[in-house]
Amino acid sequence: AQKITQTQPGMFVQEKEAVTLDCTYDTSDQSYGLFWYKQPSSGEMIFLIYQGSYDEQNATEGRYSLNFQKARKSANLVISASQLGDSAMYFCAMRGPNTGNQFYFGTGTSLTVIP
Amino acid sequence: GAGVSQTPSNKVTEKGKYVELRCDPISGHTALYWYRQSLGQGPEFLIYFQGTGAADDSGLPNDRFFAVRPEGSVSTLKIQRTERGDSAVYLCASSSGSGSYTDTQYFGPGTRLTVL
Repeated sequence: AQKITQTQPGMFVQEKEAVTLDCTYDTSDQSYGLFWYKQPSSGEMIFLIYQGSYDEQNATEGRYSLNFQKARKSANLVISASQLGDSAMYFCAMRGPNTGNQFYFGTGTSLTVIP
Repeated sequence: GAGVSQTPSNKVTEKGKYVELRCDPISGHTALYWYRQSLGQGPEFLIYFQGTGAADDSGLPNDRFFAVRPEGSVSTLKIQRTERGDSAVYLCASSSGSGSYTDTQYFGPGTRLTVL
């Protein structure tokens, strides 16, 4: 069975500082993809970044980077130079060849950027 | 290009009524997904379409829920005899449909369903 765990229900960060949002996962698949989505109060899930299980380098996308530690089964999201507009819910999700075509999501982390 | 759109954005109905929620995917995307998100939770999978057919409906909670995609584009999620426990945000997503686990899903803004 696939499982995503996000242990931080809420996080605060000072504007312009960096913040790390934790995500651990459990899967028996050897090949899988890890995704992070942002969900502002408007409700739309916005795709941020993707990491494949066989990717040798950590994924980066602008101010977002993924700290992927395969042996620990963790895929933490790092947001650098936080901005007020980063305040939102953040969800980690996983998909593998044995999950069918669905994503498995964690319960999310609420990030608040303080001016 | 246009993203995934969903209508209505909000739907309030009474217990026992029938509702339809519509999803218009990104043009050219063959795969379409429905998820349900309850307050304080991540989205939970309901059903997946590849083209016109429901390739995986294992997430539908019971036979009151049904979804169609007759022409392989727009999809409608149908809920019969609504119950208060059906209140949630219903999210639709689409992807290119490559079938790979790397296939990114792009979400619409959701429909907030409230059953009184």
